[in-house]
Amino acid sequence: DAGITQSPRHKVTETGTPVTLRCHQTENHRYMYWYRQDPGHGLRLIHYSYGVKDTDKGEVSDGYSVSRSKTEDFLLTLESATSSQTSVYFCAISWTGGNTEAFFGQGTRLTVV
Amino acid sequence: TQLLEQSPQFLSIQEGENLTVYCNSSSVFSSLQWYRQEPGEGPVLLVTVVTGGEVKKLKRLTFQFGDARKDSSLHITAAQPGDTGLYLCAGETSGSRLTFGEGTQLTVNP
Repeated sequence: DAGITQSPRHKVTETGTPVTLRCHQTENHRYMYWYRQDPGHGLRLIHYSYGVKDTDKGEVSDGYSVSRSKTEDFLLTLESATSSQTSVYFCAISWTGGNTEAFFGQGTRLTVV
Repeated sequence: TQLLEQSPQFLSIQEGENLTVYCNSSSVFSSLQWYRQEPGEGPVLLVTVVTGGEVKKLKRLTFQFGDARKDSSLHITAAQPGDTGLYLCAGETSGSRLTFGEGTQLTVNP
């Protein structure tokens, strides 16, 4: 298994609070991604990173920010959580991006009440 | 609007039956991938197709990339309960990003 660890695995938080999800990899892959998965929508890209301090927005980036200060860590922050951000969040890594294989973490189930 | 449309969204069949899942788009992709996801886990890559018209086989699974590189299909022969899962197609878009379809939930009943 690719060395990807997401933390926490489960979290319940209140509306309006900030939340940070962490993705840690031990594979030294250049690309890291944050997706959210909701019924009927598959996986939707939130933000991604193509190197340390190099990040870009995905298709559903509003309300989210990311940071990558080290190769191995990619943080996703919900600045002020809303109920619409209740979802399962997946981190993925890939060596060169594009059509190279993406390896996924086990996901973080976030509930905003 | 989903860039990649998968059909059907849900499929429930009996063990031993054959099935086909489709992934369609109006956009051209340089490559397309198929992933399978089991409950509580992240998706796992099954195959990548790159050339228009390409056919790849993985045991009982056959993957095809359309000639125009806008669509793909996954055919499973003699489905087994172990094939149960969420099947996702993903296309490479600009900036080395993967865009996913909404998935096909397959249930194979013994």
